[in-house]
Amino acid sequence: GAGVSQSPSNKVTEKGKDVELRCDPISGHTALYWYRQSLGQGLEFLIYFQGNSAPDKSGLPSDRFSAERTGGSVSTLTIQRTQQEDSAVYLCASSWGGTGQNEQFFGPGTRLTVL
Amino acid sequence: KNEVEQSPQNLTAQEGEFITINCSYSVGISALHWLQQHPGGGIVSLFMLSSGKKKHGRLIATINIQEKHSSLHITASHPRDSAVYICAALILPGGSQGNLIFGKGTKLSVKP
Repeated sequence: GAGVSQSPSNKVTEKGKDVELRCDPISGHTALYWYRQSLGQGLEFLIYFQGNSAPDKSGLPSDRFSAERTGGSVSTLTIQRTQQEDSAVYLCASSWGGTGQNEQFFGPGTRLTVL
Repeated sequence: KNEVEQSPQNLTAQEGEFITINCSYSVGISALHWLQQHPGGGIVSLFMLSSGKKKHGRLIATINIQEKHSSLHITASHPRDSAVYICAALILPGGSQGNLIFGKGTKLSVKP
């Protein structure tokens, strides 16, 4: 498909385990964003990749969170030693450019539940 | 106080009504996005504005940079417009080019 895809769609894990969430952006999009939406809360910026530049990690809530983007395409968000408060929908988006002034295309999200 | 505020938080309308959702922000911005989140959770970008007005079908978005305010209008509303509408601002200075600040959303329900 031509859209942003994310996997898995749902992930249930036990407290303390590590999880990896994957995002496949639209081909050719240079910018990739990760957001989080906790139950009943608004969207929250996590991290932003633009081309080969150093990522903006200013939204990551703790050092248990990290993300990589390999080859300027696929991105993986890793959460180590998961906590119950990490339960949320994790959304990925991509856009043509990275100025924040380009339309962002969102993936369907990964619903993470930490028991 | 959130840097991006939306009102109303919840809105119920009858089919056919004209709807306005407001977004105000307290700092300088370079762009403002309007997003639609369907009940199933999927998010669609509706508009990106840095000035003036944009129209797409029954949707109109306006922004007044001086007043730090944007509005999303829906004409001839329909039950399928029922969704959460979110505004998001790219705040300047200081924020990176990718760091959007989100409003808490307006939940719209259009009754037939």
